[in-house]
Amino acid sequence: GENVEQHPSTLSVQEGDSAVIKCTYSDSASNYFPWYKQELGKRPQLIIDIRSNVGEKKDQRIAVTLNKTAKHFSLHITETQPEDSAVYFCAARNQAGTALIFGKGTTLSVSS
Amino acid sequence: EAGVTQFPSHSVIEKGQTVTLRCDPISGHDNLYWYRRVMGKEIKFLLHFVKESKQDESGMPNNRFLAERTGGTYSTLKVQPAELEDSGVYFCASSLGGRYNEQFFGPGTRLTVL
Repeated sequence: GENVEQHPSTLSVQEGDSAVIKCTYSDSASNYFPWYKQELGKRPQLIIDIRSNVGEKKDQRIAVTLNKTAKHFSLHITETQPEDSAVYFCAARNQAGTALIFGKGTTLSVSS
Repeated sequence: EAGVTQFPSHSVIEKGQTVTLRCDPISGHDNLYWYRRVMGKEIKFLLHFVKESKQDESGMPNNRFLAERTGGTYSTLKVQPAELEDSGVYFCASSLGGRYNEQFFGPGTRLTVL
């Protein structure tokens, strides 16, 4: 079945720096890749997603890139702020089903 | 608009006992999903309902887990009998129909089996 690998597991940056989280997936039929942010004690919330017919998508300080050939996608956060501190999960959904297959998560810490 | 709600928020039970978790999806969402996160690991898919029908239950770990969605509204997930390895956070999510629709997550139920 589908497998999603996520790196790094923890990431510490200074406020204002950029942060990059990378994920790879195994099923070439995957066509939808969302990113969720989970702040401490709160529910996972979708922050950005990308479909397989698009290579890049931006939303203010957040961007996601997708390389279908290499089967990897990345989350880029620029000008990080302390409120960006959270656990970030990447996920992939294949064409056959609606289940999301998640990576193990990246704990991002932004220090001021 | 109310989001996905789950009850209880925490549950502590002993091995061998039974626990029932409840999820109320966003009104109008036909799709309802259960996921589980064991500490430090990925959020893992358990099953998917479309209205009251089980669309995909390939992620259910074993027959100690029973999910229902009578009437196509709220859903329950029962664990009977609970084992130590069942501990974790159980998330429910819901979405509208359609391949690219966002899955909205509930706050989760933290289950601890002693």
